[in-house]
Amino acid sequence: DAGITQSPRHKVTETGTPVTLRCHQTENHRYMYWYRQDPGHGLRLIHYSYGVKDTDKGEVSDGYSVSRSKTEDFLLTLESATSSQTSVYFCAISEGQGFHEQYFGPGTRLTVT
Amino acid sequence: GNSVTQMEGPVTLSEEAFLTINCTYTATGYPSLFWYVQYPGEGLQLLLKATKADDKGSNKGFEATYRKETTSFHLEKGSVQVSDSAVYFCALRDLNDYKLSFGAGTTVTVRA
Repeated sequence: DAGITQSPRHKVTETGTPVTLRCHQTENHRYMYWYRQDPGHGLRLIHYSYGVKDTDKGEVSDGYSVSRSKTEDFLLTLESATSSQTSVYFCAISEGQGFHEQYFGPGTRLTVT
Repeated sequence: GNSVTQMEGPVTLSEEAFLTINCTYTATGYPSLFWYVQYPGEGLQLLLKATKADDKGSNKGFEATYRKETTSFHLEKGSVQVSDSAVYFCALRDLNDYKLSFGAGTTVTVRA
């Protein structure tokens, strides 16, 4: 299994509070991704990173920010959590584009009350 | 843009039955195609992939063939087991793209 951990694994928070999710990899892969998984939508890309301090938006980036100060860590921040951000969040890593597969972390279940 | 459509579930089967999950795609370039599986409470794992037309990906008894003419990548298994109960996702990525485009997922339940 690829070395990807996510923390926390579960979190309950209140509307309006900031939340940071962490993804840590031990594979030294260049690309890192944050997805959210919601019923009927599959996985949707929030943000991705193509190197240290190099990030870009995905299809559902509103309300989220990311940072990558080290190769191994990719942080996802919800500046002011809303109930619509209740979801399961997955981190993924990849060596490259195209045919390179993405390896997924175990997920973080976030509930915003 | 790129998109993936897969058959809606849930699908319920008896053990040893034949499983097919349909997947069709729309892509502007020359995508690689993937099937991922998600077991309960876990993240996604790559099940198989195909990188060019007519390639067949296979793993754990599952197979899928990259059909450019019908823009399809249907997943099949000849004899399912209870342990195959999971959510299956079809996905694609263009050659020079960073992004995977996923289908909505198909939940499969296999009963003993």
